[in-house]
Amino acid sequence: EAGVTQSPRYAVLQEGQAVSFWCDPISGHDTLYWYQQPRDQGPQLLVYFRDEAVIDNSQLPSDRFSAVRPKGTNSTLKIQSAKQGDTATYLCASTGTGVTEVFFGKGTRLTVV
Amino acid sequence: AQKVTQTQTSISVMEKTTVTMDCVYETQDSSYFLFWYKQTASGEIVFLIRQDSYKKENATVGHYSLNFQKPKSSIGLIITATQIEDSAVYFCELTSGGNYKPTFGKGTSLVVHP
Repeated sequence: EAGVTQSPRYAVLQEGQAVSFWCDPISGHDTLYWYQQPRDQGPQLLVYFRDEAVIDNSQLPSDRFSAVRPKGTNSTLKIQSAKQGDTATYLCASTGTGVTEVFFGKGTRLTVV
Repeated sequence: AQKVTQTQTSISVMEKTTVTMDCVYETQDSSYFLFWYKQTASGEIVFLIRQDSYKKENATVGHYSLNFQKPKSSIGLIITATQIEDSAVYFCELTSGGNYKPTFGKGTSLVVHP
C-alpha cells in the first residue's frame, strides 16, 4: 500500500511569506497528525484530526498557523507570515482506528531566511 | 500533562554489542501506550516496537526488546547484536488520554562502529 505522501519536500521562504504543506495519509486511516521537528529535536505535535474533526490544536500557533482536513482524507497545513523560528521539518503522520503504530511521511524541510 | 524524557543525548557502541536506551514518562492516565521509533539519516521515521501499559510481559520484536518498569514509569529499549545500520536517532513516544494524544521524547542518537 502507498505510504503517507507529503509535498513539497523542500521550501525556502523569506520572512513574512506564506506557505502551504499538503499531506495525503494512508487510505483508510482516520487519524492524521502534523508535527514540527526542529533540527536535533523530537517531533512536536502541532495538531491532529480524527476524520475531519480537530482533536487537539493546543500547540498550533493560531495567529499564523492553520490546518484543515475538510473531507477527512487529505490535509493542508498553512503558515502565514513565516518567521525564522519556523525553520524546521514538518511531518505528517497517520494511523488507523484505535491505538496502532503511526506511519510518517518523508516531511517538508522548511527554511525561512 | 504528559511528558517523555530521554536523558541520553547520544550513545556510541561497537558492532555486535548490546545497547540500552532509557526513557522515563509522566502521565496521569491509568491506561497508556508506549512506542519506540527510529529516524534514519535520510529523515525517515519508522515504528519499531510498542508496549501497552496493562501488559506485564516485555515486548520483543526481532533484535529489539523493551524493559518496562511500570512503578518507575520507565521503558527502556534494548538492541541486541547491534549492526551498523542501527545507527540512527531513537525516539520514545507516549500515547495516553481519551483522545490518544501522542508525546515524543527528544531522542537518543546511536552510532554503531565497526
